[in-house]
Amino acid sequence: AQKITQTQPGMFVQEKEAVTLDCTYDTSDPSYGLFWYKQPSSGEMIFLIYQGSYDQQNATEGRYSLNFQKARKSANLVISASQLGDSAMYFCAMREKVTGGGNKLTFGTGTQLKVEL
Amino acid sequence: DTEVTQTPKHLVMGMTNKKSLKCEQHMGHRAMYWYKQKAKKPPELMFVYSYEKLSINESVPSRFSPECPNSSLLNLHLHALQPEDSALYLCASSQGASAGSKGLSGNTIYFGEGSWLTVV
Repeated sequence: AQKITQTQPGMFVQEKEAVTLDCTYDTSDPSYGLFWYKQPSSGEMIFLIYQGSYDQQNATEGRYSLNFQKARKSANLVISASQLGDSAMYFCAMREKVTGGGNKLTFGTGTQLKVEL
Repeated sequence: DTEVTQTPKHLVMGMTNKKSLKCEQHMGHRAMYWYKQKAKKPPELMFVYSYEKLSINESVPSRFSPECPNSSLLNLHLHALQPEDSALYLCASSQGASAGSKGLSGNTIYFGEGSWLTVV
């Protein structure tokens, strides 16, 4: 069974600084995908970034980058130049292959990020 | 803006009511999902539809009944719910069926804004 671990229940960062949110995973499947989502208090789950297990380079999307260390089974999210609007819950998730079609996401417990002035 | 649209945004229903949550996507995705999220918890998968056929039911009680009328629409019919069913219900979609052993890039799962359900 797949498992995702986020060990930081809450994080604080000063505006304009960078912050790293930790995520470790466990799977015996050599083929997997890792996602980061942002969830503001409004409830919407916003896709941020994706890393495939066979991708050679770390994924980047604007101010978001994923520090993928396959041997350590970690996929940390780095947010550069934090903004007040980045305050939200952040979830790391892993996709499982599913027989019969579709995907199954297993989520970590989340990290609540607060950006301060 | 999300391309997965959920209605209603908020729903309050009694335990004897019958109501439905609706979800629509126009991205040509062939897999659609329902997730349930309780406060301060991660989302939990309820149902997966692939090519309009139910492929996963995560042992969800029968008072929740999913329906996929076509590839763009996904409904969740609610009947005789309990107060503990109050939660955020998230709909999601992705491009296709599960990927093979390689080429997992893409197949991102996109979520809607959710429907906040309160059972009284």
